[in-house]
Amino acid sequence: AQTVTQSQPEMSVQEAETVTLSCTYDTSESNYYLFWYKQPPSRQMILVIRQEAYKQQNATENRFSVNFQKAAKSFSLKISDSQLGDTAMYFCAFTRVGNEKLTFGTGTRLTIIP
Amino acid sequence: DGGITQSPKYLFRKEGQNVTLSCEQNLNHDAMYWYRQDPGQGLRLIYYSQIVNDFQKGDIAEGYSVSREKKESFPLTVTSAQKNPTAFYLCASSIGWVETDSYEQYFGPGTRLTVT
Repeated sequence: AQTVTQSQPEMSVQEAETVTLSCTYDTSESNYYLFWYKQPPSRQMILVIRQEAYKQQNATENRFSVNFQKAAKSFSLKISDSQLGDTAMYFCAFTRVGNEKLTFGTGTRLTIIP
Repeated sequence: DGGITQSPKYLFRKEGQNVTLSCEQNLNHDAMYWYRQDPGQGLRLIYYSQIVNDFQKGDIAEGYSVSREKKESFPLTVTSAQKNPTAFYLCASSIGWVETDSYEQYFGPGTRLTVT
């Protein structure tokens, strides 16, 4: 069974600063996908970024980027130039190729301080 | 606008009553999912369906039931057998990995169920 661990229950950072959220996972699979989802106070889950395990290049979406270390089974999310609207719970999620089930971590509550 | 709708946003029930949560999508997605979210925990999968008239149990299916009679709809019934039903319930859908190499799931706004 796969497990996803987010070891930082809460984080806070000043507006405009950069913050990195950690995620580690455990799997024996070699082909899989990783995701970061954002859940703002409205509780609507929003996909932030995804990474295919077979791709060595780290995914980037505007101010959001990941540091994917396959050997270490690490998948951190970096938010640059943080904004007040980034305040949310962030969940890391894993799925193996050929399986539609997502396994989620317990989340990191991120607060951006004005 | 394409998307996923869940109704109602808040739902209150007395203990011992069954309750059905609605989930509708107009994204033409094949796969649909139900998750439960509790404080301090991630999302846990209750049931999922990859195609009409077929569904599978997730990790915490006990006390829940679903149906998938239409592609657009995937209602979840919380039965009186569910020992701790108060939670936030999220519905999601995805295109389906069989047709495309796509695994993203898109979520509805959720339903907060309170049972007293």
